[in-house]
Amino acid sequence: AQRVTQPEKLLSVFKGAPVELKCNYSYSGSPELFWYVQYSRQRLQLLLRHISRESIKGFTADLNKGETSFHLKKPFAQEEDSAMYYCAPLNTNAGKSTFGDGTTLTVKP
Amino acid sequence: SAVISQKPSRDICQRGTSLTIQCQVDSQVTMMFWYRQQPGQSLTLIATANQGSEATYESGFVIDKFPISRPNLTFSTLTVSNMSPEDSSIYLCSVRPGTYNEQFFGPGTRLTVL
Repeated sequence: AQRVTQPEKLLSVFKGAPVELKCNYSYSGSPELFWYVQYSRQRLQLLLRHISRESIKGFTADLNKGETSFHLKKPFAQEEDSAMYYCAPLNTNAGKSTFGDGTTLTVKP
Repeated sequence: SAVISQKPSRDICQRGTSLTIQCQVDSQVTMMFWYRQQPGQSLTLIATANQGSEATYESGFVIDKFPISRPNLTFSTLTVSNMSPEDSSIYLCSVRPGTYNEQFFGPGTRLTVL
């Protein structure tokens, strides 16, 4: 069965501090990995995808196939980063994504 | 990209009644998804709706309870039938246009069943 775990339901850091949101997955095959974000009163939207190897809003995520992890990191958190973050592996064979339980990040001033 | 609208944005319904949620996309897409997001919880996939075929339901969801229509490549409806308070949730429509496998989401329909 496909499973994704985000162990921290809530995460709070001070502005300027590093932040890491953890994601571990259990999948057959090689999924594509995504992080989605939902800011207050906004719809869910893509933050970044592992295949692009890009940095969005200062966030990066490294896929570690050995550990089956896809942790999201930012060296210096900003207050506007406060949001709900979802890790979502996509099973390309089945065409379906599984969403983690989400981590609510709060960046305090 | 894809821009998705949903109607209604919210509703309060009596138990035993049904509500139909509409999802409109600004471009033609093959795959549309319906999710449920209960308060403080993650997104749970209800079904995948492809135009021209029956929707595919996930474990725990059945067509009699959540009938879906997909008449064309830009529109879909999800009906929540014979509602109970346990159906109170946010219902999300989502599409994956296919270029980079990114998913786009509608604003959601917040349903409260009394």
